[in-house]
Amino acid sequence: IAGITQAPTSQILAAGRRMTLRCTQDMRHNAMYWYRQDLGLGLRLIHYSNTAGTTGKGEVPDGYSVSRANTDDFPLTLASAVPSQTSVYFCASSDRGGASVDEQFFGPGTRLTVL
Amino acid sequence: GQNIDQPTEMTATEGAIVQINCTYQTSGFNGLFWYQQHAGEAPTFLSYNVLDGLEEKGRFSSFLSRSKGYSYLLLKELQMKDSASYLCAGLDSNYQLIWGAGTKLIIKP
Repeated sequence: IAGITQAPTSQILAAGRRMTLRCTQDMRHNAMYWYRQDLGLGLRLIHYSNTAGTTGKGEVPDGYSVSRANTDDFPLTLASAVPSQTSVYFCASSDRGGASVDEQFFGPGTRLTVL
Repeated sequence: GQNIDQPTEMTATEGAIVQINCTYQTSGFNGLFWYQQHAGEAPTFLSYNVLDGLEEKGRFSSFLSRSKGYSYLLLKELQMKDSASYLCAGLDSNYQLIWGAGTKLIIKP
C-alpha cells in the first residue's frame, strides 16, 4: 500500500441499509478526515480524528459515525442510509504538528448512491 | 461565519496565463491552501501560504494578502492537462480546512 486506500470504489445501496466505508493509510499520519463532496459545494467535513483513540464532529456529522482504533484505519459508518447521503466520499490524512505544512493527502474516493 | 469564495468557472487558452482568485473569512487563520482536482479524481496539494506575498513553484504561483483576506493562484504557460478544478481552502483556528466550492478551469487550444 502506498498512501491512502478506500473501499469500495463505488456502491449502490438501498435506503435504510447500514454501510461502512473503509479507509487505510500507511504514512503513519496522526490526523485523518472524512469529507463528502457534492456538485456545486465545497468539500464538507463529516468527522475527523487528530490521533488514534480520539474523534471529533465536523460540519455535517449527522447520520454518520467513525472510530479510530489504530493509526492506520478510519472507517466511516452510515447506520441507516438515506438518499441525501448520495455523494462522493473522500478520506484524507495529514501529519498534524509535524515538520510539513499539514497538507492533507486524499484517498481515491468512494462514490455512494442511496436509492 | 466562515466562508471561502471563488469563481465557479473560468476559461483560458493553451499557453496563456490565468489567475484564479479566492477570498476567505475564517475563524482565526493558519494558512491558505490550493488543491487541484481532475474530474473523477481526488484533490492533490498545490500550494500553501501563511505569510503575505508570492510563493512560486514552477508554472504555478500562489499569493496571499492576510489584511484583505485574499489569495490567488497564478498558472503560467497553460497546458491542456491543467484543465481541472482548483480548490481554495483556509485553515481555521482549530486547524480545520474550510473549503471553497472550487473553480473549474477550462483550457481551449
